[in-house]
Amino acid sequence: NAGVTQTPKFQVLKTGQSMTLQCAQDMNHEYMSWYRQDPGMGLRLIHYSVGAGITDQGEVPNGYNVSRSTTEDFPLRLLSAAPSQTSVYFCASSYGQVQETQYFGPGTRLLVL
Amino acid sequence: GENVEQHPSTLSVQEGDSAVIKCTYSDSASNYFPWYKQELGKRPQLIIDIRSNVGEKKDQRIAVTLNKTAKHFSLHITETQPEDSAVYFCAACDAGNMLTFGGGTRLMVKP
Repeated sequence: NAGVTQTPKFQVLKTGQSMTLQCAQDMNHEYMSWYRQDPGMGLRLIHYSVGAGITDQGEVPNGYNVSRSTTEDFPLRLLSAAPSQTSVYFCASSYGQVQETQYFGPGTRLLVL
Repeated sequence: GENVEQHPSTLSVQEGDSAVIKCTYSDSASNYFPWYKQELGKRPQLIIDIRSNVGEKKDQRIAVTLNKTAKHFSLHITETQPEDSAVYFCAACDAGNMLTFGGGTRLMVKP
């Protein structure tokens, strides 16, 4: 199993540009989520999904959209990038519920100029 | 929503000493408390977790205690080794489907 994969590893955007961060898992996990990690602020939940076709907002959802058309994929879309979205983004998944081991992807480092 | 506070933000210990990291949470309905370790440039990985029906859990040199009345939980690492150096995050899961993380503790183990 590849586990949780994320692409790209690193991206530079200009303010106002849009892009999609990809996340995929091959473990048949139902729960998937996106976090951003900023220095000194831990991991903050952006959006999550408890299964295909179901998504919900986390702690910091503004400026981001998600969809979950398949069990495997959970892309994160930045609608109009802002410098405040410069961060490291982690995707995570777990088998059934959030109260289980979260398996994190390797992260995407995003720089918005 | 849930709020998780973590202390200290940095912790330096001598190899072989014990390290204790403490977290408090706000939502009394929270029922799941994991701890993640993140080495420099790597992804977070679960090291231990505890559920609200248990007061203590141990795995070799790592233990976690939970005080539901006071709404705090702690990570204890005994006989620390240089490879324990990392950032440690606590988290709490409320009655919903969200994990809320603390701000992290940078542990440095000096040889």
